[in-house]
Amino acid sequence: RKEVEQDPGPFNVPEGATVAFNCTYSNSASQSFFWYRQDCRKEPKLLMSVYSSGNEDGRFTAQLNRASQYISLLIRDSKLSDSATYLCVVNPRNTGGFKTIFGAGTRLFVKA
Amino acid sequence: ETGVTQTPRHLVMGMTNKKSLKCEQHLGHNAMYWYKQSAKKPLELMFVYSLEERVENNSVPSRFSPECPNSSHLFLHLHTLQPEDSALYLCASSQEEGFEAFFGQGTRLTVV
Repeated sequence: RKEVEQDPGPFNVPEGATVAFNCTYSNSASQSFFWYRQDCRKEPKLLMSVYSSGNEDGRFTAQLNRASQYISLLIRDSKLSDSATYLCVVNPRNTGGFKTIFGAGTRLFVKA
Repeated sequence: ETGVTQTPRHLVMGMTNKKSLKCEQHLGHNAMYWYKQSAKKPLELMFVYSLEERVENNSVPSRFSPECPNSSHLFLHLHTLQPEDSALYLCASSQEEGFEAFFGQGTRLTVV
């Protein structure tokens, strides 16, 4: 089983739709979690951190389910500009420190 | 001024060349990272430095040699690379290990 797994998609949705992505992780010792977005041929940019209590930033909501070992990202009222690849990041702590692991990403296309 | 800057943005080198990638962060962060992103593959963590000491080396071939002279600068020295090393090399920094990371724009490397 991969350490971090994401559905690669692509997800094709119309503008205004609500779309959700999940990301599962295998290491129960993981301590911090993030969502990044990456546009084609650009660097990843932090979208939001994921807290145990869940967090919301405008149209974006992130949640963590430690029992089932997954994090989720919900995007409401999709915009054309939301088209990108969404990467989940998991930080398990090992004896040498943190070991940051990126998922392979989920591609989203928002259509007019 | 962007938080993390990388130079050069593009690099073409022969297999017998020696070159260096440079990264500078202006965020006052204590941790810096090198990542490799190949086509259609997840980001791979190569090296982690925390307070100028290397804390992680994910079994990277010795033809890649990192250097962290101070907390603001990170280099990746390259020698006798192979064509399969062609990729986007991304530098990132974070306040501490395991915290959200901020990426530079990357160096797109082509080995011929």
